Amino acid sequence: DARVTQTPRHKVTEMGQEVTMRCQPILGHNTVFWYRQTMMQGLELLAYFRNRAPLDDSGMPKDRFSAEMPDATLATLKIQPSEPRDSAVYFCASGFGTGFAKNIQYFGAGTRLSVL
Amino acid sequence: DQQVKQNSPSLSVQEGRISILNCDYTNSMFDYFLWYKKYPAEGPTFLISISSIKDKNEDGRFTVFLNKSAKHLSLHIVPSQPGDSAVYFCASQGEYGNKLVFGAGTILRVKS
Repeated sequence: DARVTQTPRHKVTEMGQEVTMRCQPILGHNTVFWYRQTMMQGLELLAYFRNRAPLDDSGMPKDRFSAEMPDATLATLKIQPSEPRDSAVYFCASGFGTGFAKNIQYFGAGTRLSVL
Repeated sequence: DQQVKQNSPSLSVQEGRISILNCDYTNSMFDYFLWYKKYPAEGPTFLISISSIKDKNEDGRFTVFLNKSAKHLSLHIVPSQPGDSAVYFCASQGEYGNKLVFGAGTILRVKS
């Protein structure tokens, strides 16, 4: 049963601390997406990768957020320093797509982040 | 600037009746549309999709209708079941790069 795995599931931290969220995409998928869900905004795209290369991170606050794919089985989203307004559920999704292909994204269970 | 809008935050329906969830989009470049369902403490799961070359796609109890001229799509669930109670997200794709743009979601409650 292939699935996207996210760790940790829950994270509580204090303002100013570094937070790292991890995602293992489904084996064979070449696109990885990071989303943030808040009560008001629904699902916002933060960044995404194709074949490990970042294609778009325009939704991400550049000064404190960074996203990387060290290898094909791991994507990371870091926040440094964290702020209370970063509290949200962060989802990772993966899919298989080329430039113009219409593909389905498969989501992980999310990381619920609380910054105190 | 919300390109995908789900104007009804919530919907309550009696078991066995039809549920209709609506979605409007503004970007005429969108040509592929998806619905996702989300239960609490889980990630969204893909439900059904439709390409702009079609106006209807059906999968069991779920049917998606697309009206391109009105830039409107809807999801029909017939008959509704209590297990359908979840948040439903509409998503659109069309720009280069496989990005999806999501609506804010509609909470569906099916009462038994």
